[in-house]
Amino acid sequence: AQSVAQPEDQVNVAEGNPLTVKCTYSVSGNPYLFWYVQYPNRGLQFLLKYITGDNLVKGSYGFEAEFNKSQTSFHLKKPSALVSDSALYFCAVSDSGGYQKVTFGTGTKLQVIP
Amino acid sequence: EAEVAQSPRYKITEKSQAVAFWCDPISGHATLYWYRQILGQGPELLVQFQDESVVDDSQLPKDRFSAERLKGVDSTLKIQPAELGDSAMYLCASSFNRVAYEQYFGPGTRLTVT
Repeated sequence: AQSVAQPEDQVNVAEGNPLTVKCTYSVSGNPYLFWYVQYPNRGLQFLLKYITGDNLVKGSYGFEAEFNKSQTSFHLKKPSALVSDSALYFCAVSDSGGYQKVTFGTGTKLQVIP
Repeated sequence: EAEVAQSPRYKITEKSQAVAFWCDPISGHATLYWYRQILGQGPELLVQFQDESVVDDSQLPKDRFSAERLKGVDSTLKIQPAELGDSAMYLCASSFNRVAYEQYFGPGTRLTVT
C-alpha cells in the first residue's frame, strides 16, 4: 500500500530564513507527488506537483520542491520565509499506474517567527 | 476564478439523525472526491467519482454512509444514522481528470454530532 510520511509535526523558522518541510513516500510504481497548503479556516490549496521531468519543481508563492527518487523524498523548500507562509502543509502521493488514488500525509505546521 | 462549492458550511446534528452534504465541483472537472479530515490529521479519502461512476469507495463506511453523483456534476454525501465519531470536517474536491491532475478543494463542512 502507498504511504506518505511527514516526520515533523511542526517546523519553526525565522522570517527571512530558508525553510524546508520534509516528505518521504512509498509507492509500488512511479510516483506522482503533490504539495498542498491549508490556511486557518480555509480549504486546501494546491502548491505544486511532480509528474515527470526535472527533479526541481517550482510552484506558487515562491515554493519549490525537489524530487529524489533514490531517497524517495519530495521536500518542500523556500529560500526566504514570510510570516504569511505560516500554515499547515500536506504532502500527497499517487501511483502513476492503476487507480492513481491520492494518499495524504498527516501534515506539518509551519510557523514563521517575525 | 472557479471554485468548488460546498454546503452547508457548518452542521450540528444529534446522534442517530440523518445528515447530508452537497458539493458542486468546478465546471468541466470529471473527477470528484469526498474526504474526511479530523483535526490535526490529513484528509482521508471516502469516495472518488469519475463522472457519475464510483471508482473508489474502499474507505466509505457503507453501513451508514452513501454518496451519489447522478448526472456526473454535483454530488451528495449522506450519513444515516450519524454517530459521535463522525464529527469531523468533510471536504469535497474536484480535478480535471484523475490522472496526474491537482485537486481543487471546497471550504468544507464542519460536522458536529452531539
